[in-house]
Amino acid sequence: EAGVTQFPSHSVIEKGQTVTLRCDPISGHDNLYWYRRVMGKEIKFLLHFVKESKQDESGMPNNRFLAERTGGTYSTLKVQPAELEDSGVYFCASSQVGGLLASGANVLTFGAGSRLTVL
Amino acid sequence: SQQGEEDPQALSIQEGENATMNCSYKTSINNLQWYRQNSGRGLVHLILIRSNEREKHSGRLRVTLDTSKKSSSLLITASRAADTASYFCATDWCNDYKLSFGAGTTVTVRA
Repeated sequence: EAGVTQFPSHSVIEKGQTVTLRCDPISGHDNLYWYRRVMGKEIKFLLHFVKESKQDESGMPNNRFLAERTGGTYSTLKVQPAELEDSGVYFCASSQVGGLLASGANVLTFGAGSRLTVL
Repeated sequence: SQQGEEDPQALSIQEGENATMNCSYKTSINNLQWYRQNSGRGLVHLILIRSNEREKHSGRLRVTLDTSKKSSSLLITASRAADTASYFCATDWCNDYKLSFGAGTTVTVRA
């Protein structure tokens, strides 16, 4: 089974430019999450999709960030215009329908991340 | 806000030794999970402990949970070079099943 794939693995852009990150979740996983880790700090939640709907976008930093999941398959996260503080590693993760195991826990499968460097 | 917080931030041990790291959290939880991240890779789920459990084992991993202290520990026994990685605890709470992570503990196992 293919895992969660993210593209690009690394992107270097200048302040003010636009970058679009893509995530392909595990096939059949309705839950898709975006997280971000900045400079070795905690991994922060950005948003959660259930299929194509945004279930929770409380972690999105500001309106320069736009996430989409058209058709409920892959997702994109666009940063426009990018600022220096947007640099970090953006992780995508997915989990099964309802996200709950028999134990009632949501176990996520992560992609390798997209490292964004804004100069 | 940050829910889990790991301690120590970094740990260096000799191969064969045990590694212990701790996680503290702020609110009541449903479950606590530990994940590992090898350099350049995604996070990998290691083990899950529910709020009504006190200890879980999986291979060389032992996790404890003390809900009265809002803390958990992860013990890796007989460490190997391949255990070199960052380890994160993640919690979920109430009816919110999204996971909150800490900043992680970076473990280096020296050969």
